[in-house]
Amino acid sequence: EAQVTQNPRYLITVTGKKLTVTCSQNMNHEYMSWYRQDPGLGLRQIYYSMNVEVTDKGDVPEGYKVSRKEKRNFPLILESPSPNQTSLYFCASLPDRGHTGELFFGEGSRLTVL
Amino acid sequence: GENVEQHPSTLSVQEGDSAVIKCTYSDSASNYFPWYKQELGKGPQLIIDIRSNVGEKKDQRIAVTLNKTAKHFSLHITETQPEDSAVYFCAAWAIGAAGNKLTFGGGTRVLVKP
Repeated sequence: EAQVTQNPRYLITVTGKKLTVTCSQNMNHEYMSWYRQDPGLGLRQIYYSMNVEVTDKGDVPEGYKVSRKEKRNFPLILESPSPNQTSLYFCASLPDRGHTGELFFGEGSRLTVL
Repeated sequence: GENVEQHPSTLSVQEGDSAVIKCTYSDSASNYFPWYKQELGKGPQLIIDIRSNVGEKKDQRIAVTLNKTAKHFSLHITETQPEDSAVYFCAAWAIGAAGNKLTFGGGTRVLVKP
């Protein structure tokens, strides 16, 4: 089954404790992206990757890092989480950067930073 | 950059009635406009999309209209059913823009009352 898998789905952590949210897709998609969802603000892009070893900032990259060492994986790293990073996070993928059509989303990771 | 405004933020309708969600965008280069539906605890899923060379598109009870001159597009759901209750996001995408970024509206929470 074609899917984007995120882990963990739920996480409560404390300020400053490094964490990683993993994202994996099994569709051989070149393009992957991270979004955060906050009430009234919709989905805002954090980082995206057009291919292996190619990453770029989205609209709200501060406080986040990403890596793309393999095509299928695109982890989101919070080196020193802060309470304003409490949010619902989604990973998504597309076949390639020039493709418009369905963006495939994971089921989300709800993060709470105390 | 692109700015997408979505209204209303919440919408309550009686089962069987119609629901309309409206979005405006700012970048005249945007030429692809998808709509996503997010059910509780799930990631957004594409339900319909429209490209700039088309004024209207319909898929069963769902239709989308686009007015490029006025830079607005709308989602119409007819004969609403309880399973239409969800959060809906509009988005705008400028093909060829650096980074292949899809800009989302703030979302509309739709509640269909039986």
